[in-house]
Amino acid sequence: AQTVTQSQPEMSVQEAETVTLSCTYDTSESDYYLFWYKQPPSRQMILVIRQEAYKQQNATENRFSVNFQKAAKSFSLKISDSQLGDAAMYFCAYRSRFNKFYFGSGTKLNVKP
Amino acid sequence: GAGVSQTPSNKVTEKGKYVELRCDPISGHTALYWYRQSLGQGPEFLIYFQGTGAADDSGLPNDRFFAVRPEGSVSTLKIQRTERGDSAMYLCASSLGQGETQYFGPGTRLLVL
Repeated sequence: AQTVTQSQPEMSVQEAETVTLSCTYDTSESDYYLFWYKQPPSRQMILVIRQEAYKQQNATENRFSVNFQKAAKSFSLKISDSQLGDAAMYFCAYRSRFNKFYFGSGTKLNVKP
Repeated sequence: GAGVSQTPSNKVTEKGKYVELRCDPISGHTALYWYRQSLGQGPEFLIYFQGTGAADDSGLPNDRFFAVRPEGSVSTLKIQRTERGDSAMYLCASSLGQGETQYFGPGTRLLVL
């Protein structure tokens, strides 16, 4: 079975600074997708960024980018120019080729003004 | 357009009672997912529908849990003989099709006393 591990339960970053959230996963599949989701307090989970495993190029979405290391099974999220609105729980997720999703336990990001 | 909606937003019930949780996906989304999220944890997959049929129900914890999607749109998660351990946030997500981006609802917080 696939597993997703987020080893940082909580992190803090100063406003305007850069922070990197870590995620590793375990799988025997070669074709899969990886995601980062954001869950603000008492609000809905929203997609931040996605990465197809067959693509070597790292995905970017404005201030958000990933460092995808397929051989190492690592998928970290970098947030540049952190803003107060970035404060939330961040979940790393893996989607298998059978369309089943596995989520990590989350990293709580605090942004300090 | 409207996003994924879930009703009720909160449900308090007594141990042993039966509950139904409803999910209205985004119009036109053929795939629908149910997750359970315990406090401080990531979402845990329960069941995935493609159209009217359950494509994967391997995450349902036991036979007290059942879900339907009779017309390929609205889905209901049914829990019989509720137990205190069933207390959690139940999340629903939908996507345009298999493998597409999931959009999450706000969740139903279930408390079993």
